[in-house]
Amino acid sequence: GAGVSQTPSNKVTEKGKYVELRCDPISGHTALYWYRQSLGQGPEFLIYFQGTGAADDSGLPNDRFFAVRPEGSVSTLKIQRTERGDSAVYLCASSSKTGGAPNEQFFGPGTRLTVL
Amino acid sequence: GDSVTQMEGPVTLSEEAFLTINCTYTATGYPSLFWYVQYPGEGLQLLLKATKADDKGSNKGFEATYRKETTSFHLEKGSVQVSDSAVYFCALSDLLSNDMRFGAGTRLTVKP
Repeated sequence: GAGVSQTPSNKVTEKGKYVELRCDPISGHTALYWYRQSLGQGPEFLIYFQGTGAADDSGLPNDRFFAVRPEGSVSTLKIQRTERGDSAVYLCASSSKTGGAPNEQFFGPGTRLTVL
Repeated sequence: GDSVTQMEGPVTLSEEAFLTINCTYTATGYPSLFWYVQYPGEGLQLLLKATKADDKGSNKGFEATYRKETTSFHLEKGSVQVSDSAVYFCALSDLLSNDMRFGAGTRLTVKP
């Protein structure tokens, strides 16, 4: 079956611009996660959705970052007034977690964001 | 907070050599532990996992044992292949949290 997909695969933008990154999770997975991976580092948690609601957004670095998942499937990560420090690979993952023990997270290929 | 520390790379080995990548963790709860692998040009894939103390995860010849007494989850393989060249990430996820905490990753290169 299809895995997690992310679009675009690469995004180059200018400082100050607005960007949207999209994630299509595995069908039926209720949990969705966004991570950010800087060069030479492991992924860092940004936000977690259970269904349509953001159950935990404690990893969002500031209020320029926002994510939605209006129908409980596709999610969009939105970054306003981009800064050069936002350049990274943004990863999306989904799992069948419904509470309790952590289950395997399935990762997408990522979107490489470059802010010039 | 919860965190993972893994040995720095890069690691370069000859084919058929023994591999160990060290990973230690800090957690206040009862985490599950994972090794993820990222092959060149591909996304993160789960390699193996262990959900409680003394569990051993294994896959594709790789093994790791959840050691609560030493708070470790070292990755081992007895005989590496060129196709094992990748970046390996140790990670933990706690029952009380909603995220996965990753180490910085260790790049492995296996030469023929």
